[in-house]
Amino acid sequence: DADVTQTPRNRITKTGKRIMLECSQTKGHDRMYWYRQDPGLGLRLIYYSFDVKDINKGEISDGYSVSRQAQAKFSLSLESAIPNQTALYFCATSESGANTGELFFGEGSRLTVL
Amino acid sequence: GQSLEQPSEVTAVEGAIVQINCTYQTSGFYGLSWYQQHDGGAPTFLSYNALDGLEETGRFSSFLSRSDSYGYLLLQELQMKDSASYFCAVSRASGTYKYIFGTGTRLKVLA
Repeated sequence: DADVTQTPRNRITKTGKRIMLECSQTKGHDRMYWYRQDPGLGLRLIYYSFDVKDINKGEISDGYSVSRQAQAKFSLSLESAIPNQTALYFCATSESGANTGELFFGEGSRLTVL
Repeated sequence: GQSLEQPSEVTAVEGAIVQINCTYQTSGFYGLSWYQQHDGGAPTFLSYNALDGLEETGRFSSFLSRSDSYGYLLLQELQMKDSASYFCAVSRASGTYKYIFGTGTRLKVLA
């Protein structure tokens, strides 16, 4: 089983709908991240969390919200989806207390907003 | 702000050596990481430079020069399976470990 699991893997929705992407991890890491990937733009940070009570905005947080329900769970919500939020979304984790430079990614959630 | 620039595409032949550059305009970061991503897959970690100099991991090596705001990933003995996108990333300082990524380089390995 994957250490970082994202659900759903694929989702097609309509403009204006509320969407939640979920991420759970079994690595025991405190730090969790949500990234968005678009062709030619690389990975852009949406939100990150260093523990259950710590939530921080990334580069492109407008239109998104997050919830850290537990150490192992970090959800990303689109309150009212719009077509330019069509993208591939990745959840990632990293160790705290050690600067190894390594992120562990989930398999991605492909979202299409019509 | 910060930005990391990479060439958009690099092509090389099997067995060759290729260098993928990453130039950055940011300060106060802990180190430079490299990731590989195959089409349809998730990014996977390759290497990390916390200090200036060369880090070697098998066929892959990575280099960092903070004074030149520059790093690179060197891939030796290229194989077809190395065809993928490669991203550099900095782990940002100022009390946080958030990771900012470059735009990525697509490597095509030809037979």
